[in-house]
Amino acid sequence: GIQVEQSPPDLILQEGANSTLRCNFSDSVNNLQWFHQNPWGQLINLFYIPSGTKQNGRLSATTVATERYSLLYISSSQTTDSGVYFCAVRGSGNTPLVFGKGTRLSVIA
Amino acid sequence: DAGITQSPRHKVTETGTPVTLRCHQTENHRYMYWYRQDPGHGLRLIHYSYGVKDTDKGEVSDGYSVSRSKTEDFLLTLESATSSQTSVYFCAISESEGLGSDTQYFGPGTRLTVL
Repeated sequence: GIQVEQSPPDLILQEGANSTLRCNFSDSVNNLQWFHQNPWGQLINLFYIPSGTKQNGRLSATTVATERYSLLYISSSQTTDSGVYFCAVRGSGNTPLVFGKGTRLSVIA
Repeated sequence: DAGITQSPRHKVTETGTPVTLRCHQTENHRYMYWYRQDPGHGLRLIHYSYGVKDTDKGEVSDGYSVSRSKTEDFLLTLESATSSQTSVYFCAISESEGLGSDTQYFGPGTRLTVL
């Protein structure tokens, strides 16, 4: 099945810094989503982005489907951005989403 | 926020006992999913449903069964719980499998401990 790799596995930032999280996948996809899991465990959908670029406030995401990667940008990071960021993809056909192992982000004041 | 609740939120049980977790949605979405989350593994799909009485297996379905008798409820059953099933279980829903409409929304999770 399709493989998903996220990098880096862990990231520590000073408040106000910018960061880029990467998601590589092994095959063509028809669905790609980014999620944030906050320190209390709640999973929030950030973007549905199988291709192209989207922005939502300080967060933006870009997926280059032909090169099999997606990037999540966090600008002017805040302590509330801390948590784990997951990328999930669906390959061709009617297959379920496959999640990466996540990037754990810690933003310190 | 999508209207998804899970019950119970926490449960401690003993090896060999049956356990049922419930997911309830108020969004009338067609698809429902059960995942487990374990350190080092991210989220892994257990079972999913694409309609009432329509279910299919996911990546880690052994030891689990599901049922969906109503659109709004999706039950996950551990027939005989084992310590390896200690985990955090998440339910998710999506409207459909179509482009853009299969964004997944997650419930708050259930922490299950099997002693």
